[in-house]
Amino acid sequence: DSGVTQTPKHLITATGQRVTLRCSPRSGDLSVYWYQQSLDQGLQFLIQYYNGEERAKGNILERFSAQQFPDLHSELNLSSLELGDSALYFCASSAAAGSSETQYFGPGTRLLVL
Amino acid sequence: ILNVEQSPQSLHVQEGDSTNFTCSFPSSNFYALHWYRWETAKSPEALFVMTLNGDEKKKGRISATLNTKEGYSYLYIKGSQPEDSATYLCAFAGTASKLTFGTGTRLQVTL
Repeated sequence: DSGVTQTPKHLITATGQRVTLRCSPRSGDLSVYWYQQSLDQGLQFLIQYYNGEERAKGNILERFSAQQFPDLHSELNLSSLELGDSALYFCASSAAAGSSETQYFGPGTRLLVL
Repeated sequence: ILNVEQSPQSLHVQEGDSTNFTCSFPSSNFYALHWYRWETAKSPEALFVMTLNGDEKKKGRISATLNTKEGYSYLYIKGSQPEDSATYLCAFAGTASKLTFGTGTRLQVTL
């Protein structure tokens, strides 16, 4: 158990809908990362927050947005969902913001868009 | 687009065999190289973070080396056990904050 929690574990929804994925980092970690794992691709970095501020952006679609709240939990919002958005979404956390920090991964949220 | 490549794609060894796999990454703008172990139905688990050329890290029977000048890292597993069966991922960090992951080496260890 990494100490990172994600809810829900599974989500089934329809195209065009909007969903919110939630992540609570390990106690004391200030940085949160979101990743997408699609069937035919490796882990793709989406976005990073550090202490409430956006720190780095990856291949995140405009239909997706995220935020980190004062209590450091983070939410990833996915809107106008398409079939291709079906994937495993991971959240990870680290103590600080640098890329040499060890990242601890949560259990993931499996999203299925029908 | 950063290219982080891992080889082989998959590997099947017998219990007790020692094995190694490779991660290749850009040799410019290097900041860090991460190794993760990812078991089926679980989440990636951090093994090592390596930052210096020539770094060697060890955790039990697993060790890793780093060559930033030529852009590669090796992961070694000595005396493989069935519980070592997993996908091993490497991730390259350039000067930006983000990690770029390889597609992994899938290791299966049989009795």
